[in-house]
Amino acid sequence: KAGVTQTPRYLIKTRGQQVTLSCSPISGHRSVSWYQQTPGQGLQFLFEYFSETQRNKGNFPGRFSGRQFSNSRSEMNVSTLELGDSALYLCASSRLTGETQYFGPGTRLLVL
Amino acid sequence: SQQGEEDPQALSIQEGENATMNCSYKTSINNLQWYRQNSGRGLVHLILIRSNEREKHSGRLRVTLDTSKKSSSLLITASRAADTASYFCATASGGSYIPTFGRGTSLIVHP
Repeated sequence: KAGVTQTPRYLIKTRGQQVTLSCSPISGHRSVSWYQQTPGQGLQFLFEYFSETQRNKGNFPGRFSGRQFSNSRSEMNVSTLELGDSALYLCASSRLTGETQYFGPGTRLLVL
Repeated sequence: SQQGEEDPQALSIQEGENATMNCSYKTSINNLQWYRQNSGRGLVHLILIRSNEREKHSGRLRVTLDTSKKSSSLLITASRAADTASYFCATASGGSYIPTFGRGTSLIVHP
């Protein structure tokens, strides 16, 4: 079974731009979660989607948003990028909510 | 804010030695998980231990949980250079199943 895939793997943007990251979960997995990892704050939960509905949301500003499609693929969007948004963004999928999560390789975003 | 905190922050050992990492947390948990991350890549799930369990094994990995001390340990026996990675504990507590991650222990295994 193919693992979680994330695209793109690397991204460079400038302040004020917006970015969209994509995540394809493991086949049959319906829950997708997003995390931000930075050296300063560590791994922080962004949000979780299940059956196209946001089920949980972390403590991030409204500039961070996401969605999930009927095939369980998910995207997250960050608008009006700030330097502090530079991070590794990780997507994780699980068969159902609350089950063990399997992580993708991440998208490394650099904001200049 | 982090719920779990790993100790030590960094650990350097020789191949063949055992590596022990600890995780302490603040509030009662439903379960605790250990993950491995190789050099800024995705996390790999290692073991999940529930609050009513005291010990679990998986290959060369042994995890213990002491809920009275609010702590867990991960033991890697007969370490290999390929075990070089960061190790994170993640806890789920209260009515939430969303894992909260610690800062991680950076393990270096010298060949």
